[in-house]
Amino acid sequence: DGGITQSPKYLFRKEGQNVTLSCEQNLNHDAMYWYRQDPGQGLRLIYYSQIVNDFQKGDIAEGYSVSREKKESFPLTVTSAQKNPTAFYLCASSRGQGKNEQFFGPGTRLTVL
Amino acid sequence: AQSVTQLGSHVSVSEGALVLLRCNYSSSVPPYLFWYVQYPNQGLQLLLKYTTGATLVKGINGFEAEFKKSETSFHLTKPSAHMSDAAEYFCAVSYGGGSNYKLTFGKGTLLTVNP
Repeated sequence: DGGITQSPKYLFRKEGQNVTLSCEQNLNHDAMYWYRQDPGQGLRLIYYSQIVNDFQKGDIAEGYSVSREKKESFPLTVTSAQKNPTAFYLCASSRGQGKNEQFFGPGTRLTVL
Repeated sequence: AQSVTQLGSHVSVSEGALVLLRCNYSSSVPPYLFWYVQYPNQGLQLLLKYTTGATLVKGINGFEAEFKKSETSFHLTKPSAHMSDAAEYFCAVSYGGGSNYKLTFGKGTLLTVNP
């Protein structure tokens, strides 16, 4: 089945540690996205990539980094510079932009202890 | 900046009653419009979308939405609520042009269905 996988489902981290969230898709989509979701705030865009080896900052990129070395993979690193990293993180992909809908993974819940 | 407003962060209905979730957007050009549903601790699933053509759009699980340009609205409806409809619903709008679009989400509406 085609889809998007995110791992792990739950992640715990100590303050000051970097952590990497995995996102893989087998939909052959060019574009991939990372969102952060906090209660009552909807989804906020962290980073997005329209093509391999290229990515752009979203609305809340500070304290995060990404890479896009393969079409299928778009990992997100939450660095120690992110002041409030506890949140639900969602990865998505789309065939393109505009009228093409985004397909979402199941999410990773990150908790900083 | 473009924005999406979902009126009512929490809507409660009885099973079998009409579901109406409101979404308004601000845009100087016609956007592409989407409704997504999210069940607890899961990702988002597309319910329906409007791109061009017929303004009344039918989606999955009996939901539909109507694009009203004059009112800049895209409200989501379902004639008869079911317990399984309890979830959070997000309206999203895609603005832009060429190869540069941005998808903006509303803050969500939590739907509760009472037996």
